[in-house]
Amino acid sequence: AQKVTQAQTEISVVEKEDVTLDCVYETRDTTYYLFWYKQPPSGELVFLIRRNSFDEQNEISGRYSWNFQKSTSSFNFTITASQVVDSAVYFCALSESSSNDYKLSFGAGTTVTVRA
Amino acid sequence: DAGVTQSPTHLIKTRGQQVTLRCSPKSGHDTVSWYQQALGQGPQFIFQYYEEEERQRGNFPDRFSGHQFPNYSSELNVNALLLGDSALYLCASSPEGFGTEAFFGQGTRLTVV
Repeated sequence: AQKVTQAQTEISVVEKEDVTLDCVYETRDTTYYLFWYKQPPSGELVFLIRRNSFDEQNEISGRYSWNFQKSTSSFNFTITASQVVDSAVYFCALSESSSNDYKLSFGAGTTVTVRA
Repeated sequence: DAGVTQSPTHLIKTRGQQVTLRCSPKSGHDTVSWYQQALGQGPQFIFQYYEEEERQRGNFPDRFSGHQFPNYSSELNVNALLLGDSALYLCASSPEGFGTEAFFGQGTRLTVV
């Protein structure tokens, strides 16, 4: 079963618009970690953020912000005032702390295209 | 401080051949994981190495094997290549522990013809 669902396959916006990427996860663990990665055309996955399941505070880093809601099992990502350089594929990932499970489970990704 | 480096960046192989991909982890990281990313999909976990042992394995056949060296660098070997093995292979390094930040290399693009 898919543990991380990113329902939006592609999003296209005009520069300076805000864009929100949805991420819904599924786990029975009480301790887990959620991540967002950016993958530009070069292919490298760039780490953006990690949150643990006990920290539901929203976080803002520059134009990026994250909204973590355990009640709805969601960890959404917003880019404010988007720029062309934000064009990339964005992945949400889950790491569960059940015994012997060290892997990251990724969603299918959301392709963001920012038009000038 | 060099990040995660992978070699080669691109590779073309024929069906049935064998391939070896290499990864040097970020300084200070002792754990290496390998992921396969097919076109248009998210990365899929192949396996993870820690203390030169395969600690966890994803749903991949035995044709996929690996190794970790004392300096923490790692190799991914794929035998009897199939067309379906064509993908971007990503190496990630991280400090030991659950949920630690994983840093990825630029990947090796493998094409099987």
